[in-house]
Amino acid sequence: QQQVKQSPQSLIVQKGGISIINCAYENTAFDYFPWYQQFPGKGPALLIAIRPDVSEKKEGRFTISFNKSAKQFSLHIMDSQPGDSATYFCAASKDTSGSRLTFGEGTQLTVNP
Amino acid sequence: NAGVTQTPKFRVLKTGQSMTLLCAQDMNHEYMYWYRQDPGMGLRLIHYSVGEGTTAKGEVPDGYNVSRLKKQNFLLGLESAAPSQTSVYFCASRPGGSGNTIYFGEGSWLTVV
Repeated sequence: QQQVKQSPQSLIVQKGGISIINCAYENTAFDYFPWYQQFPGKGPALLIAIRPDVSEKKEGRFTISFNKSAKQFSLHIMDSQPGDSATYFCAASKDTSGSRLTFGEGTQLTVNP
Repeated sequence: NAGVTQTPKFRVLKTGQSMTLLCAQDMNHEYMYWYRQDPGMGLRLIHYSVGEGTTAKGEVPDGYNVSRLKKQNFLLGLESAAPSQTSVYFCASRPGGSGNTIYFGEGSWLTVV
């Protein structure tokens, strides 16, 4: 059972454009939602994370929008750059000690120059 | 800083052979994880450990065994490799407590022929 669904599977954006990746979760007990970025040949690395007490979190060009009632959250990359080309994974877990992350299927982002 | 180190990075196995993947972390983290990454399926948890001497099953544990005899090491074993175990394997670790960042290794590419 896939508890975190991510879309789209792949995304092509022009340099300077906005990249948007969406995730939906099923388990209402989840209360920690990170996004990971993975470059080819490397392991995923934490990009940004949000907890449901806020509806939006921004770090530089990266923003998470969170909709608790819809059980959805999304990653927005403003002014997308070729260096942002990577695979992005959303994830979710309970925000408690020992909890395990459930990952989405991943989105391969390509930003064309 | 080394962080999370996986060995070997690449391996080709014949069906039925056994092997062990080694993960070492130098951050004194309590929790350690083994994931596998397959195209279109995101990261799936195989086994994990919440401390030295403990192990637990994740989403896809069949065909794998693990051991955590020392806090800094987490071993993943394949007793009788199958082509379905061809994948990229990632080890990860994080401190105890809630909502902490998971740190991934760079991956181990395993092909079973």
